[in-house]
Amino acid sequence: QLVLTQSPSASASLGASVTVTCTLTSGHSDYTIAWHKQLPEGGPRYLMTIKGDGSHEKGDAIPDRLSGSSSGAERYLTISSLQSEDEADYYCQSWDSGIPVFGGGTRLTVL
Amino acid sequence: QVHLVESGGGLVKPGGSLTLSCVASGFIFNDYYMTWIRQSPGKGLEWISYSSSDGRSTRYADSVRGRFTISRDNAKNSLFLHLDSLKVEDTAVYYCARDYTPIDFWGQGTLVTVAS
Repeated sequence: QLVLTQSPSASASLGASVTVTCTLTSGHSDYTIAWHKQLPEGGPRYLMTIKGDGSHEKGDAIPDRLSGSSSGAERYLTISSLQSEDEADYYCQSWDSGIPVFGGGTRLTVL
Repeated sequence: QVHLVESGGGLVKPGGSLTLSCVASGFIFNDYYMTWIRQSPGKGLEWISYSSSDGRSTRYADSVRGRFTISRDNAKNSLFLHLDSLKVEDTAVYYCARDYTPIDFWGQGTLVTVAS
């Protein structure tokens, strides 16, 4: 069974960089994932898709300072030049036999 | 520009029923799978159900199978979720989303509260 594991929280200073990590369960290390961002009020927003080979494809109007990468069973979302609007919950999501599965989310605080 | 607007949420008693609607615009609705995802207060995201582009194929999470029914009206660019036999634990914001693998657009959600 596919499980996506995320740290509950992360923090970094304004203008700095931060990496949010999503870990796939053993046996699923080649799976593609997607990252979604959710501000305190409102629905999530799709950010990008990251494949097992590290290639990624972004959604509409996602800025260049957001990037994705992969290493083994880990998938990363890196945000550089942190801004206040980056303070949000970030969810990774993949598919288990065609069914979407979500990680528990990481709350990012911009200090 | 893609827009998804949910409606139909509200307060309902345990055992009651409700139908949620999602109106889509900005894309060719009948080209896409559509999905419902919910978020309980203070919790993470839970996939509930999806519908194929023509509505003939549907799937449900174990937590709602037999109680919830997904449907769509492609002529009206609309997706529906009928919630039956509601439980307190069904309280959540319900989002509709376009599923192009990835899920690439989300609505703003509609709140369903199940309480006596």
